[in-house]
Amino acid sequence: KNEVEQSPQNLTAQEGEFITINCSYSVGISALHWLQQHPGGGIVSLFMLSSGKKKHGRLIATINIQEKHSSLHITASHPRDSAVYICAVNQGAQKLVFGQGTRLTINP
Amino acid sequence: KAGVTQTPRYLIKTRGQQVTLSCSPISGHRSVSWYQQTPGQGLQFLFEYFSETQRNKGNFPGRFSGRQFSNSRSEMNVSTLELGDSALYLCASSSTSGALEQYFGPGTRLTVT
Repeated sequence: KNEVEQSPQNLTAQEGEFITINCSYSVGISALHWLQQHPGGGIVSLFMLSSGKKKHGRLIATINIQEKHSSLHITASHPRDSAVYICAVNQGAQKLVFGQGTRLTINP
Repeated sequence: KAGVTQTPRYLIKTRGQQVTLSCSPISGHRSVSWYQQTPGQGLQFLFEYFSETQRNKGNFPGRFSGRQFSNSRSEMNVSTLELGDSALYLCASSSTSGALEQYFGPGTRLTVT
């Protein structure tokens, strides 16, 4: 079993829909990250969380430390949100452990 | 501030050859981490360098090595290339070792034929 599990692996939705991507982890962490990767490979850090909830524009990230679970929500989704979303956790110091990613496709 | 830069962006090598990839961190950042991304294994941590010293290492064979220079630029070397080394190699910089927030470069796509 992977230390970081994401669901779903693939998600296709229509423009405007509310999107939820889930991440569960089985190890102790110091922080959890949500990353976005567009075709071509570059990775952008969306959020870093150690507790509670963060919001940036149409993106919301939450974390429940007791349940070892985090969610990334996208409101009013748009085709430009199409990307791979990756959950990663800091497992001590610098080392990041990654989920397998969720491929999101938003159709117009 | 300029972001993290990686060179080259694309590379094609033959089995058995060696390759060196370069990463220049954000100005003022002293920690550089390297990651390998493949379709089968996803993203995996290779190693981290801080102040010219390797601080952490992932579970990769000794063919994978790296170094960091006094200006914080880092290089990663893979010797005796195998087909399975074909991957996107990403580096990320942070202000110090142990800093939780990392900034990723665009990656170097290595193809081994």
